[in-house]
Amino acid sequence: QQQVRQSPQSLTVWEGGTTVLTCSYEDSTFNYFPWYQQFPGEGPALLISILSVSDKKEDGRFTTFFNKREKKLSLHIIDSQPGDSATYFCAAMSNYNVLYFGSGTKLTVEP
Amino acid sequence: EAGVTQSPRYAVLQEGQAVSFWCDPISGHDTLYWYQQPRDQGPQLLVYFRDEAVIDNSQLPSDRFSAVRPKGTNSTLKIQSAKQGDTATYLCASSFAGGSQNTLYFGAGTRLSVL
Repeated sequence: QQQVRQSPQSLTVWEGGTTVLTCSYEDSTFNYFPWYQQFPGEGPALLISILSVSDKKEDGRFTTFFNKREKKLSLHIIDSQPGDSATYFCAAMSNYNVLYFGSGTKLTVEP
Repeated sequence: EAGVTQSPRYAVLQEGQAVSFWCDPISGHDTLYWYQQPRDQGPQLLVYFRDEAVIDNSQLPSDRFSAVRPKGTNSTLKIQSAKQGDTATYLCASSFAGGSQNTLYFGAGTRLSVL
């Protein structure tokens, strides 16, 4: 059973454009939602995270939105740069400390 | 501060061979996770420890996989008789359960190919 669903599978945007990635989940006990960035040959690294008590969190060019009623979250990247080209994973965790990952979105930013 | 260290970085085996993966977590982190990441997929939890105790190993194929963390620090994941379906990257992560948010820090992984 897939706990976290992510779309799209891949995405290409032009440099300077806005990237939008989306995720949905089913388990109502999830209360912590991190986004991880992974470059080829490396492990995932935390990019930004949000708790279920919030609906928006910003960190520079990255913003994550959370909709508890619809059980959806999204990641927005403004002014996308070629260096942002990577695979992005949304994830979800409950109080049981197990982190469930989505299937990932491979982002390519073309100069 | 040193991150999560894993070795080896790569392993190539024939079916039926055994292999061990080693992980050194971030100092002071009490929780250690092993994830399996098939190519072009998200990481999937195999097992996790709090100190030396196994908390959840329900997704670990127990007939061929085993994991230990005897002193609550380093950990070893072993595959007894590898199958082609085990081809994946094996990621170790650590965290401090007492923090305000349970952020997982990942190592670079061990990329396993079973021929």
